[in-house]
Amino acid sequence: AAGVIQSPRHLIKEKRETATLKCYPIPRHDTVYWYQQGPGQDPQFLISFYEKMQSDKGSIPDRFSAQQFSDYHSELNMSSLELGDSALYFCASSRFGGEVGYTFGSGTRLTVV
Amino acid sequence: AQRVTQPEKLLSVFKGAPVELKCNYSYSGSPELFWYVQYSRQRLQLLLRHISRESIKGFTADLNKGETSFHLKKPFAQEEDSAMYYCALSDNYGQNFVFGPGTRLSVLP
Repeated sequence: AAGVIQSPRHLIKEKRETATLKCYPIPRHDTVYWYQQGPGQDPQFLISFYEKMQSDKGSIPDRFSAQQFSDYHSELNMSSLELGDSALYFCASSRFGGEVGYTFGSGTRLTVV
Repeated sequence: AQRVTQPEKLLSVFKGAPVELKCNYSYSGSPELFWYVQYSRQRLQLLLRHISRESIKGFTADLNKGETSFHLKKPFAQEEDSAMYYCALSDNYGQNFVFGPGTRLSVLP
């Protein structure tokens, strides 16, 4: 069965550069969530979208933005990267605004050097 | 390859009944195991981790390395426990975090 696809799998960027992470939800899933997990830390909720509209916002820095497109895939745009942005970025998708639980992607590991 | 399995997609119990949510893992080493909970339309929340050996909201989980399991238990389920529960593991460095597919717990009145 198709899962949540995240692209790229690994990404290395320099400080002050920009990065774009992509998430392709399971077909017919209308809700996407982004989580950031730093080394040795618990996943921190960043932002979520339901039917292409932002549905919830967590600890997402102002340097980051995200959107959900008409095909329900989502992109997380990160600018002015800092060393502290190095983390594993998870995407999860769900239906009906999260009522039926998540399916997680494998994550994108971002390393800022 | 590391993997987390939760064999039950849905578990329904009556209020006051004991609950056990199963989690098995495969990992070539000593992983850290976690349970997360997601209430309807809410964010993922950490419920407990095996290294802390805490009991949160009456839930406990014991890591059984011989059976590679980390089952979540509660002696008396409450209606407010109804949620999705995800088992997850990571290596000792917090890298390579993997979630299980989740089990929906439904506690009936």
